[in-house]
Amino acid sequence: DAGVIQSPRHEVTEMGQEVTLRCKPISGHDYLFWYRQTMMRGLELLIYFNNNVPIDDSGMPEDRFSAKMPNASFSTLKIQPSEPRDSAVYFCASSFAGPQRQHFGDGTRLSIL
Amino acid sequence: DAKTTQPNSMESNEEEPVHLPCNHSTISGTDYIHWYRQLPSQGPEYVIHGLTSNVNNRMASLAIAEDRKSSTLILHRATLRDAAVYYCILREFGGATNKLIFGTGTLLAVQP
Repeated sequence: DAGVIQSPRHEVTEMGQEVTLRCKPISGHDYLFWYRQTMMRGLELLIYFNNNVPIDDSGMPEDRFSAKMPNASFSTLKIQPSEPRDSAVYFCASSFAGPQRQHFGDGTRLSIL
Repeated sequence: DAKTTQPNSMESNEEEPVHLPCNHSTISGTDYIHWYRQLPSQGPEYVIHGLTSNVNNRMASLAIAEDRKSSTLILHRATLRDAAVYYCILREFGGATNKLIFGTGTLLAVQP
């Protein structure tokens, strides 16, 4: 049973570059969440989707961040332009019929130099 | 979201029970209590959730106080693999906010 799949696992890029993180949720799940985790701020919810529609993006830091879910099996989180303070581990999670039992991916460790 | 308070860290010995406390004095009648844990270098993992009654599953038990202002996650026999950060989270059921807000959690160390 495949879990939530995130790619890439690690990304190192220079400041100013565009970064795209990808997520494949568990088949049949109708909720998808993007989180960011840093030592300073802990685990923060950035945005979540229900049935491919963005419901709450109040956690998105600023206009440099955008997220899409073109279909039920794929979502992207894009940062353009990237900055060193965006360095973090980004997690994608999915769940069925609500946020209570979320399944998390292994995360993408992003380093912006 | 109503807030939760957890100790920053706890220690346990292997094969002994562990009781992880959580205070949520501002909980409302429709708030569910969720527990997740995060093992080192992994994403968080669902453990258990409940509303009023105590709950059991293969991972843990959740004991909820009668006034619901506190709860305790019980690991019946700690193993080294249970060393993780444990998050206690409240979620309003059926409200406009349908999300979990993670706090700082309790870092559990398990000694052999």
